[in-house]
Amino acid sequence: GQSLEQPSEVTAVEGAIVQINCTYQTSGFYGLSWYQQHDGGAPTFLSYNGLDGLEETGRFSSFLSRSDSYGYLLLQELQMKDSASYFCAVMSGGATNKLIFGTGTLLAVQP
Amino acid sequence: DTAVSQTPKYLVTQMGNDKSIKCEQNLGHDTMYWYKQDSKKFLKIMFSYNNKELIINETVPNRFSPKSPDKAHLNLHINSLELGDSAVYFCASSSGTVGKTQYFGPGTRLLVL
Repeated sequence: GQSLEQPSEVTAVEGAIVQINCTYQTSGFYGLSWYQQHDGGAPTFLSYNGLDGLEETGRFSSFLSRSDSYGYLLLQELQMKDSASYFCAVMSGGATNKLIFGTGTLLAVQP
Repeated sequence: DTAVSQTPKYLVTQMGNDKSIKCEQNLGHDTMYWYKQDSKKFLKIMFSYNNKELIINETVPNRFSPKSPDKAHLNLHINSLELGDSAVYFCASSSGTVGKTQYFGPGTRLLVL
């Protein structure tokens, strides 16, 4: 089977750093993506890791360890506008690549 | 200058009806997708088209029929709507079939009564 696990909820305060973990078990693996979705909005691409290590994009960083089937999204200098759901998604390789999404982590940033 | 657009944004209908959702992208991408997001926010791929050809067809009831008249458009027709079809349907597009970066439309909120 294929599964991705993330914490369901995380709470943090403005200015803090938060890490959202993702562990996956999929039949094929091409890379790990992260998407942000505000309530009532569309998922928006944040980051992609195809190889092990850290990718940094502004306040957001994403890490991947393929040997551990594990990744995380790191959000620094949290702002109120970062309150949203965050989804990890595995690009499942093979004849046709497809995104398999995790269950999402609801991040609440408090003042 | 909307990248991926969908119509309608909201759709309320009765069980047993047939409805369509339209999607258009102006990003020049050649791969388009349909996703379903349920009430628990679980997002699951339904279909993918590359250059008007179906490349992904997940285990979706055959009441759902996608159609791609050209690579900028991907429509979704649903026959005999059921209560369980109530969800948010997102269209997305990407460049190439790898699909590392997918751009999502605003979603169509379907409610079947």
